[in-house]
Order: sequence, then C-alpha cells, then structure tokens
Amino acid sequence: EPEVTQTPSHQVTQMGQEVILRCVPISNHLYFYWYRQILGQKVEFLVSFYNNEISEKSEIFDDQFSVERPDGSNFTLKIRSTKLEDSAMYFCASSDPRVAGGGDQPQHFGDGTRLSIL
Amino acid sequence: QKEVEQDPGPLSVPEGAIVSLNCTYSNSAFQYFMWYRQYSRKGPELLMYTYSSGNKEDGRFTAQVDKSSKYISLFIRDSQPSDSATYLCAIASGSARQLTFGSGTQLTVLP
Repeated sequence: EPEVTQTPSHQVTQMGQEVILRCVPISNHLYFYWYRQILGQKVEFLVSFYNNEISEKSEIFDDQFSVERPDGSNFTLKIRSTKLEDSAMYFCASSDPRVAGGGDQPQHFGDGTRLSIL
Repeated sequence: QKEVEQDPGPLSVPEGAIVSLNCTYSNSAFQYFMWYRQYSRKGPELLMYTYSSGNKEDGRFTAQVDKSSKYISLFIRDSQPSDSATYLCAIASGSARQLTFGSGTQLTVLP
C-alpha cells in the first residue's frame, strides 16, 4: 500500500539553527500538509499546499516557517531560526481530491520527524 | 469552547469487549469526520472516513455520526490486544482542508 515517508526520523538541532524536514507524499496525491504534535498535546495543523502554493495556513505557521516542493516527489518544511518551543513531532500528510468526485478526502500521514531543539 | 473534545481516557478493556470512543464538536460547518489510530512513535493511521450522518461499517469498526447532536463515535467489536493504541477523531469543514483533531483516547485491550 502506498505510504507517506518522512526523513529523518529524529533531528536534533541547536536553537537558532535552520532545519529542513523532508517528506515524500503518496505519488499521485495533489494536496500536501504539515502538522505538528507537541508532546502530550493535540495534533495541530500548520499548512496545506496545492498547485505549488500555500492554500491554507494556521497562526502557528509564521514567518520562520516555509514549505517547498523542490521536485516532483519531495515536499519540505523549513524552520529558519529554531526555538526551544519548536520541539515536537512533525507529520507530513497527503490527499487526493480527485477520488470519489472531489471534495475533502482523507489525509494519509507519515510516521513523523521528531525535532529536538537544544 | 474547544472545537473538538474527546475523552482522553485511558480506557482499559478485556479482549473481546466492545469499545466505544466518542468525540463532540462545536462547529456546525464541520462536514467530514475521520478516525485515526496512532501507535506509539508512529503517525496517525486512517481507520474510517465519513461525511454523512448515520453509520459506516468496516470489519470490526463502525463509525457513527450524529450531526444534529454534533457527536461522533467509533465502535470496535471483538477488541484485540493489537487494537491497543491512541484513537484520534479528526474533523474538517467543507471549505477548509485542515483537520481539527481531538486530544486522543488511549485504549488498552488486555489479553
């Protein structure tokens, strides 16, 4: 069964450094997403991406965050100057709006990257 | 008022029991309802997806949606130890693709 893959599984970074989290969505999907889950808290939406641009973003997704689809298979989340509070699990997801006549379709998640800021 | 509320548990049941997991939501614009299962150190795995009131069944799992009460449920029949995980409800509106998650219910099925 097709799956979303994320690398690395664990990233340790010094505060203030830039970090790039990588994702390979399911190959025929068109919508891509990033979510995060701080330890012990809910999964929170960060951003959705379609047709090479951001379609929605949350209040969390401020200027330190950016997303990119650098080629036909990868989808990345960049955090420019990391803070201690950025420590969390970051999940990538993808969906296919063409299934069953369009509309919102279920999102499929990767296993996440655990980001630890020191 | 929180948009999606879910009883965090933990919930512990004997093998073979019927499990009922529930979420309530406040925004009547929500139209799409999903249940995910999350094992420790793994991502959410899609179990059920529905967009209409009523029941949807898939094997041992039944998702129930009551839009008038803004209440959704997941039932697990003949529960197995392998069902031990955290169960997340997730809801989306028709116009927004972002999912709003519940806090998750931690389930343990004892052999």
